[in-house]
Amino acid sequence: ELKVEQNPLFLSMQEGKNYTIYCNYSTTSDRLYWYRQDPGKSLESLFVLLSNGAVKQEGRLMASLDTKARLSTLHITAAVHDLSATYFCAVEGDGGGADGLTFGKGTHLIIQP
Amino acid sequence: EPEVTQTPSHQVTQMGQEVILRCVPISNHLYFYWYRQILGQKVEFLVSFYNNEISEKSEIFDDQFSVERPDGSNFTLKIRSTKLEDSAMYFCASSIGPYTDTQYFGPGTRLTVL
Repeated sequence: ELKVEQNPLFLSMQEGKNYTIYCNYSTTSDRLYWYRQDPGKSLESLFVLLSNGAVKQEGRLMASLDTKARLSTLHITAAVHDLSATYFCAVEGDGGGADGLTFGKGTHLIIQP
Repeated sequence: EPEVTQTPSHQVTQMGQEVILRCVPISNHLYFYWYRQILGQKVEFLVSFYNNEISEKSEIFDDQFSVERPDGSNFTLKIRSTKLEDSAMYFCASSIGPYTDTQYFGPGTRLTVL
């Protein structure tokens, strides 16, 4: 069974600080996705990481993938209040076909002014 | 910008009733998915659909569930006899292809089973 574990599950931080969210997974997949979800809303795609060593950045967010360690990180630089949301990582199954995503439990991020 | 749409936004039903949740995927996408999220919990994969047939399904997707693409635009999820534990947010998603393409999620349908 594919497992995706995120930590921390809850994070409260102050504006201007840096922090990293970790995502460990149990499969050999080299495809990993990060999504953002605001309360009561749908999931917004942030990053798609498709190979070992992949690094992508968008604004204050940077995601990386280490497939050998089965680890992805989402780094937040100089956090601002607008980044408050729940962040999910997800991994695609390796069973072939249009595999569904297996999500982590999410990291609930609160950024305080 | 093209987006996935879902109707209704909220559905309330009695236990044992049938419900149909509707989705219109992005027009040039070929792969379609249903996920659910029980309140406060993680998103769970239900089923994927390609070329008018189920490609993959999870353990959650039992005989009570079915999917259909009745025409060229709609993608539906039917729950035949709803249970209390079916109460959740149901998300439809679509992608151009499998594997490397982003799955774009719709706004969701909140299903409440009484």
